[in-house]
Amino acid sequence: DQQVKQNSPSLSVQEGRISILNCDYTNSMFDYFLWYKKYPAEGPTFLISISSIKDKNEDGRFTVFLNKSAKHLSLHIVPSQPGDSAVYFCAASSRGSQGNLIFGKGTKLSVKP
Amino acid sequence: DTGVSQDPRHKITKRGQNVTFRCDPISEHNRLYWYRQTLGQGPEFLTYFQNEAQLEKSRLLSDRFSAERPKGSFSTLEIQRTEQGDSAMYLCASSPQIARFSTDTQYFGPGTRLTVL
Repeated sequence: DQQVKQNSPSLSVQEGRISILNCDYTNSMFDYFLWYKKYPAEGPTFLISISSIKDKNEDGRFTVFLNKSAKHLSLHIVPSQPGDSAVYFCAASSRGSQGNLIFGKGTKLSVKP
Repeated sequence: DTGVSQDPRHKITKRGQNVTFRCDPISEHNRLYWYRQTLGQGPEFLTYFQNEAQLEKSRLLSDRFSAERPKGSFSTLEIQRTEQGDSAMYLCASSPQIARFSTDTQYFGPGTRLTVL
């Protein structure tokens, strides 16, 4: 039973446009959400996070939106750049789990020049 | 470079052999995590240390797996009698503990790719 779901295995976007990556979760105890980017043969790199007390967090070109009632979060990348091409993982944790992250299966983003 | 480091980066072994991986966390991070990632999946939690204490283990961590963090700094993950199903990327992550029950950002190492023939 997947608690964190990324339903789009892949996404292709033109350079300069917006990339929107989506993530759904089922566990209402989750209170901290993170996005990681992963290149082949490397470990995940932390991008941005959001606590459940907020509905938006922004860092440069990256913005994460959280809709608790829908148990949905999204990562917006504006403008998209070819170097953003990677696999993006959504992850969630709850205070009671002492920080153990539950990951989605990832979405492969391709940004075309 | 003060990030999380892992050694070796790649390991090829024959079924039945034992292997050991090492993780050096970011200095002064007192939490250390091990995850396993297989093709097409996200990382899956294996085990977690706070300082030298191993506080949680996943059901994925069979009796053939053992992890240690003897001095609360680096950690080792050993797999005994490896099986082909153990082939995966083994990832280590560390995080600070800002507050007692806080959930802090985890920073990952580059991983160790294990191939069991």
